[in-house]
Formats: sequence, structure tokens, C-alpha cells
Amino acid sequence: GQQLNQSPQSMFIQEGEDVSMNCTSSSIFNTWLWYKQDPGEGPVLLIALYKAGELTSNGRLTAQFGITRKDSFLNISASIPSDVGIYFCAGQLTSGTYKYIFGTGTRLKVLA
Amino acid sequence: NAGVTQTPKFQVLKTGQSMTLQCAQDMNHEYMSWYRQDPGMGLRLIHYSVGAGITDQGEVPNGYNVSRSTTEDFPLRLLSAAPSQTSVYFCASSLAGGQPQHFGDGTRLSIL
Repeated sequence: GQQLNQSPQSMFIQEGEDVSMNCTSSSIFNTWLWYKQDPGEGPVLLIALYKAGELTSNGRLTAQFGITRKDSFLNISASIPSDVGIYFCAGQLTSGTYKYIFGTGTRLKVLA
Repeated sequence: NAGVTQTPKFQVLKTGQSMTLQCAQDMNHEYMSWYRQDPGMGLRLIHYSVGAGITDQGEVPNGYNVSRSTTEDFPLRLLSAAPSQTSVYFCASSLAGGQPQHFGDGTRLSIL
């Protein structure tokens, strides 16, 4: 089946640093979504992107819908300890369908 | 406002047993879906529903049944549990558009 490749798989950063992660595919997507999952909980939707080139922010988080429509990027500025968790991207392959494909996640650990 | 409620939180089954995972939402969302999350993999769509009386298959539907008799409830049935169905199951809902917007906290299911 379709796969979304997320990188890096995991990362340790110092508190206050900026973080960048990305999600790539060989297929074109119509919508990109970014989620955060804390241990023992369900994913929480952070940002939704709907068109190529779109740049959207949610507080310290900024995500971009890649121009080729095959990738998306998430940046976190000035990381804090509560940013710890797993970040997932998800994409909608075909407009008008209800099927979203999830990436394998980027595990973020913040060192105080 | 409870959001999306999943029960039970944990369950251990023997191979061949059947059971129903419950999912309820109180936000009057039309779209509901079931995902499974396995280590090292992204969430995979099992079944989804775009409204009461309407269901469809996702990426990994085999071994699972669903029904949607009301807007609020979307139960997932395992017909004859197999060890390969050991996973964490998440239910999600959204108002429109299909993008999984609100997730429950998951049901952790082990099949022995």
C-alpha cells in the first residue's frame, strides 16, 4: 500500500532549539495533516494544509504543503519540554475521498 | 464535553473469541473512522462511516465489521480474534471533509 516516509525517525534536541521534520511520498496528495501524539493518548490534530505552497502556523508550529504536492514540512520554534511526543503526518491521496494515509512518525525528545 | 469516548481501554482475548470495541462521540459529527496503530507503523484505516447507515472499507478491513445505526456510535467488531489483531485501536470523528479531527484515547487489545 501507499506509504508516507517521515524523517527523522527520532530526534533529541535542547530546550529552546528549533525543530524541523518532513514527510515525503512518491504520490501526489491533496491534503496534508500534522498530528501530535502523547503517550497513552490519541493523536491531536495540529495543522491542516489544503493547497500546494500553503504555509500555516499554529503558535510555535509552522507547516508547509510542498510545491510538488509530494511532501510536507513541520517546524517547531523554540522547543519546550511539553513538545515531547510523536509527530505524525497524514495525507489525502484523492480529493473527495475519506481515506487518509499516515506516516510512521517522528519521535521528539527535548532535553531541558 | 466528552468528545470521542472509547471503551474498553484495555482488553485481552483468546484466539477465536469475538468482541466489540465501542466508540461514541457527542459532537454530532457525521464522519467516524477506526484505525489501528502498530509499533513502527503509522495509523492504518480499518473502516469508516460518512453518516448513519453508511459504512465503507479502509486499508485493512479483513477480520473486522462495523455498523452505524446512530450518528453517535460506531462500534468495531472482531469476528474471530487472531494474534495479528493485537494492536492499539483508535476511533476518530470529524464534522465534515473526512479528515480525522478528534481521536479517542484508544483501546489496547492483546490476542493470546
